[in-house]
Amino acid sequence: GENVEQHPSTLSVQEGDSAVIKCTYSDSASNYFPWYKQELGKRPQLIIDIRSNVGEKKDQRIAVTLNKTAKHFSLHITETQPEDSAVYFCAARTSGTYKYIFGTGTRLKVLA
Amino acid sequence: NAGVTQTPKFQVLKTGQSMTLQCAQDMNHNSMYWYRQDPGMGLRLIYYSASEGTTDKGEVPNGYNVSRLKKQNFLLGLESAAPSQTSVYFCASSYPSGGPGNTIYFGEGSWLTVV
Repeated sequence: GENVEQHPSTLSVQEGDSAVIKCTYSDSASNYFPWYKQELGKRPQLIIDIRSNVGEKKDQRIAVTLNKTAKHFSLHITETQPEDSAVYFCAARTSGTYKYIFGTGTRLKVLA
Repeated sequence: NAGVTQTPKFQVLKTGQSMTLQCAQDMNHNSMYWYRQDPGMGLRLIYYSASEGTTDKGEVPNGYNVSRLKKQNFLLGLESAAPSQTSVYFCASSYPSGGPGNTIYFGEGSWLTVV
């Protein structure tokens, strides 16, 4: 079945440094890749997404890259701030279905 | 516009009891989902529904049943609760493929403890 692997499981960075979280998906028919941020006790919320016909997308300090050949996509956060501390999830949706499969999450800690 | 609303928010059950988690969305989304979240396991799909009247199994459907009789509601049932079903449950909804957004919107979660 479909699978999404996410690494690392925890990540600590100094404030102002960059953070990179990587995901790999198994189903080559996947065509949509959202990223979610979940603060403690809250619901996951979309922060950025990318479709399979695009290689990179940026939104201020956040960017996502997609390598379809390698079935690999990454989240990049620059100039990290303490409020970026949260759990981040990647997900993949297969074309023609409505199923979203999530990675196991990355706990990001930004140290002041 | 409340988005996705789940009830109850907190529930304690005894082993063997049954209950239903309720989910409602007011965004006219066709697709709805139930996920469970456990430490270190991420969000695992229990069941999903592409449209009113249809349901499909996800990654971890055993021990659960679902009902999608109305477009705006998706119910998750536990027939005989087990301690392994202690978890946080999230309902979600989305536009169908090709529609605007294509994003999953989550409810606030339901914390279920089975003792």
